[in-house]
Amino acid sequence: ETGVTQTPRHLVMGMTNKKSLKCEQHLGHNAMYWYKQSAKKPLELMFVYSLEERVENNSVPSRFSPECPNSSHLFLHLHTLQPEDSALYLCASSQDGDRDIMGSYNEQFFGPGTRLTVL
Amino acid sequence: AQKITQTQPGMFVQEKEAVTLDCTYDTSDPSYGLFWYKQPSSGEMIFLIYQGSYDQQNATEGRYSLNFQKARKSANLVISASQLGDSAMYFCAMREGYNQAGTALIFGKGTTLSVSS
Repeated sequence: ETGVTQTPRHLVMGMTNKKSLKCEQHLGHNAMYWYKQSAKKPLELMFVYSLEERVENNSVPSRFSPECPNSSHLFLHLHTLQPEDSALYLCASSQDGDRDIMGSYNEQFFGPGTRLTVL
Repeated sequence: AQKITQTQPGMFVQEKEAVTLDCTYDTSDPSYGLFWYKQPSSGEMIFLIYQGSYDQQNATEGRYSLNFQKARKSANLVISASQLGDSAMYFCAMREGYNQAGTALIFGKGTTLSVSS
């Protein structure tokens, strides 16, 4: 596997279900992010982890719970979601703190996303 | 106030023509980075080009170039010789605080580019 992978790619769940989204980065980066992309809205930052510590929680409802067990893995645990939570959830990673490592500009590399539908 | 503004919801261009996608930004931080990403219908965000606030020259990457006008706070993306595969959503994004760990990107609403033959 290369880059950033996300599983599952598609998820349909009821409002009472509990599910988890998984993100894995194979780039040796030290920061990982969860974004939410709803129809016709800009990408919204949800959570940022840098060196496995949560740096930012952008006022996200508690029904979303992130977990970062190590620098390569990021989870988003979902419970009692609402239909308006249906969206594309994107994970990203970056190598922060050092510019021009292997020509990088600290750009964020994104996974393919999980398309979530809440019924 | 919006940090990143993309005023063109949709743009149409013919194959082989050049197209400019607009982006203006708002920040008081002297150190920042500007990014353009492409999002095809598959959903994945693909990094295209980067411009740092202290970079003296406009960034170029193949057919992509960034028209950086710092005084106007604009960072327009120019795609030369458009191809059918360029049809996608394009996002302008900004990172404030150069090289600070865990600093997230702020995205604009995006512009949908449609390339026709």
